[in-house]
Amino acid sequence: ETGVTQTPRHLVMGMTNKKSLKCEQHLGHNAMYWYKQSAKKPLELMFVYSLEERVENNSVPSRFSPECPNSSHLFLHLHTLQPEDSALYLCASSRGTGANSPLHFGNGTRLTVT
Amino acid sequence: QQQVKQSPQSLIVQKGGISIINCAYENTAFDYFPWYQQFPGKGPALLIAIRPDVSEKKEGRFTISFNKSAKQFSLHIMDSQPGDSATYFCAASMLTGGGNKLTFGTGTQLKVEL
Repeated sequence: ETGVTQTPRHLVMGMTNKKSLKCEQHLGHNAMYWYKQSAKKPLELMFVYSLEERVENNSVPSRFSPECPNSSHLFLHLHTLQPEDSALYLCASSRGTGANSPLHFGNGTRLTVT
Repeated sequence: QQQVKQSPQSLIVQKGGISIINCAYENTAFDYFPWYQQFPGKGPALLIAIRPDVSEKKEGRFTISFNKSAKQFSLHIMDSQPGDSATYFCAASMLTGGGNKLTFGTGTQLKVEL
């Protein structure tokens, strides 16, 4: 049982839909992250939250909108996505935001945009 | 300058053999180098990490070798087992001032055959 739970595991959505990805961590960590994983590409950091405040936004298009209501929950709201947004979206958490705080990843949401 | 280049893209090793994955970086400010292991359907998990003040770090069958002058580091898996079949990602970050913003390599898909 992973300490970071992501739902749903799979999501298929049309380009005009609005959907949300959910992440919950049970590790008592203070930082949470969204990563995008595409085949044959490095993991791309999208957003970082530390103590519920957004501290990093890596020039992500506005069609991706994160929300962190508390230190245990993280959402990624999706609207008017493009087919190239199809990927595995990974949530992670860490005890702090120092580089030597290991990232604990969830198992991801496989998103397909049709 | 932020890239981490990883090779090979895929690797097939016989059971009991040595698996070697190489990474190279450009940014001399990087001073923390973790390796993550990802099994199919799972998120990545921290395997082992090294700081550049040492040239080698060993944990069980897994060893990181680090060459600061060449800006290269590698993962060696001794006595490779079928259970080691996974995708391995190298990464780099800065311990101070970098937050927890890891720069990942593109991954190496390892298959250990019987």
